Amino acid sequence: NAGVTQTPKFRVLKTGQSMTLLCAQDMNHEYMYWYRQDPGMGLRLIHYSVGEGTTAKGEVPDGYNVSRLKKQNFLLGLESAAPSQTSVYFCASSYEAADTQYFGPGTRLTVL
Amino acid sequence: QKEVEQDPGPLSVPEGAIVSLNCTYSNSAFQYFMWYRQYSRKGPELLMYTYSSGNKEDGRFTAQVDKSSKYISLFIRDSQPSDSATYLCAMGHYGGSQGNLIFGKGTKLSVKP
Repeated sequence: NAGVTQTPKFRVLKTGQSMTLLCAQDMNHEYMYWYRQDPGMGLRLIHYSVGEGTTAKGEVPDGYNVSRLKKQNFLLGLESAAPSQTSVYFCASSYEAADTQYFGPGTRLTVL
Repeated sequence: QKEVEQDPGPLSVPEGAIVSLNCTYSNSAFQYFMWYRQYSRKGPELLMYTYSSGNKEDGRFTAQVDKSSKYISLFIRDSQPSDSATYLCAMGHYGGSQGNLIFGKGTKLSVKP
């Protein structure tokens, strides 16, 4: 039982490049979330999903897209990376709303 | 005014001290409250979950909620160097945006041997 895993762990991009972050969970959770964590800003919700095939915007969705084609996977895409997207990205999942959220280990992204 | 306010610290205490971490909030609709612990370069992990006013105890940790004052606290007794981490408060309300949590910015705690 791996819980929540994230791929990759680290990445350096140049401005304008694209990439996809992968989150996978093996707990059969319905809800999945993407956060970014920046110094002095705390955790901010980017997008979330309440089930396979559904996605919704969070607090800071601009510049990101997501997809949930399979229940266990939640993908976060950056189409044209900007330096302002340099951050640590965390994926989380929960069984239902108001339930404990289980976090992955994070992806450290630097955009030059 | 931000929905959740948390003093970022850093807070440094000697081993064995009692630690008090606090958050205030402005949204009276919040119904459940959590404390997460985040070690350096790791993801947050749930420490305490409570949904009513009063105290909840788990080992050396006590979570306290005062809904009338919109104030929550986490107490750590007999603090250990292994408690050195960033502590995040989080809260939400049933029927809110699909269970989304609002997080405080976190308080960085250092327990010195």
